[in-house]
Amino acid sequence: DAGVIQSPRHEVTEMGQEVTLRCKLISGHNSLFWYRQTMMRGLELLIYFNNNVPIDDSGMPEDRFSAKMPNASFSTLKIQPSEPRDSAVYFCASSFLLSGTPNTGELFFGEGSRLTVL
Amino acid sequence: KQEVTQIPAALSVPEGENLVLNCSFTDSAIYNLQWFRQDPGKGLTSLLLIQSSQREQTSGRLNASLDKSSGRSTLYIAASQPGDSATYLCAVPSGAGSYQLTFGKGTKLSVIP
Repeated sequence: DAGVIQSPRHEVTEMGQEVTLRCKLISGHNSLFWYRQTMMRGLELLIYFNNNVPIDDSGMPEDRFSAKMPNASFSTLKIQPSEPRDSAVYFCASSFLLSGTPNTGELFFGEGSRLTVL
Repeated sequence: KQEVTQIPAALSVPEGENLVLNCSFTDSAIYNLQWFRQDPGKGLTSLLLIQSSQREQTSGRLNASLDKSSGRSTLYIAASQPGDSATYLCAVPSGAGSYQLTFGKGTKLSVIP
């Protein structure tokens, strides 16, 4: 299995531009998590999907951030308009969550998308 | 609110030494605990997942233990190698029935050849 695949690996953009980050889950996984990592705040959960449905988006910073999961294997995280404080590494992670149990299962991360907003 | 603490924050050891990394958590109502490794500029790699019913898990030179009642886990690395140099993070569910993980800030390990 190729693991969780994220693109782009690096993105440099100017303030105000739209940024779209992409993620492909591991085949057979049904849960997807978007995290953001910075030196100051460590890893922060932005949003969690289960079976393509957003379950918890309380970590999404503000309306400039949106995430979609159009099918069982693919997700996008969009920032519009981007700001310098959005600069961070954005990780996508997937797992298989057994129905009816809160057991998170083993979490597998992608390599991350390093975003720099100038 | 779940809080995860990892001690020490950084550790430097000579090659060949056995070492222990510590992780403590405040809410023991967890289903599992996971240890990750992160290399600079890379994503997190899952090392070991311990279910709450287990006391330990082993993978090669790595052994992780879990003591739910005391809110502690340790990651033991035997015969350390320079390739083990990385940041090690532990993560637990944020609360009973929570899908969200709370991560520690990690222990940065340097193994000196």
